[in-house]
Amino acid sequence: DAKTTQPPSMDCAEGRAANLPCNHSTISGNEYVYWYRQIHSQGPQYIIHGLKNNETNEMASLIITEDRKSSTLILPHATLRDTAVYYCIVNTGNTPLVFGKGTRLSVIA
Amino acid sequence: KAGVTQTPRYLIKTRGQQVTLSCSPISGHRSVSWYQQTPGQGLQFLFEYFSETQRNKGNFPGRFSGRQFSNSRSEMNVSTLELGDSALYLCASSLEPGGDYEQYFGPGTRLTVT
Repeated sequence: DAKTTQPPSMDCAEGRAANLPCNHSTISGNEYVYWYRQIHSQGPQYIIHGLKNNETNEMASLIITEDRKSSTLILPHATLRDTAVYYCIVNTGNTPLVFGKGTRLSVIA
Repeated sequence: KAGVTQTPRYLIKTRGQQVTLSCSPISGHRSVSWYQQTPGQGLQFLFEYFSETQRNKGNFPGRFSGRQFSNSRSEMNVSTLELGDSALYLCASSLEPGGDYEQYFGPGTRLTVT
């Protein structure tokens, strides 16, 4: 079973920041937080991952709370092409990724 | 740099037949994982290979098998196909196993069993 809880769906206006929350209250000290997304009928796409510190790359920012029990993925300027299912996964890397149901993000023009 | 490639992209088979799917990882990546995606069960892990050895296996029947070659390319085989095996089969590669290495997914092979 997935160790994360995400809202089933969210809407975001085009051009605005999309903030996707994820709860992982039972995360272990050696587990990373990964985010992937899947656009309809395509393979999942890696977005970002982190262990303790906040991370930023060209796609998104990952904010992890100090107690590591939750995190937020931020897409700074959402576009229609960001409409997808977003998966938050916690994993050490030594066990398979477990995908939950994710959050279906709809970016609206 | 080329991404993960999977062949074939689409496949139609009949019940009882067997099928082999192929995955070429990103150059330099040595870890390959396979997943099955269906509307009902979502994304489920099948197996993971590293250095030609199976590291992890998901909860699937023995009809599902795989292997990895010395060049890191991987194949998976499903024997005695059932209607329920219709799914999108996804391959992912990473540099190595481990938490600090992200996985990159291929476009998938869509298998239809009739």
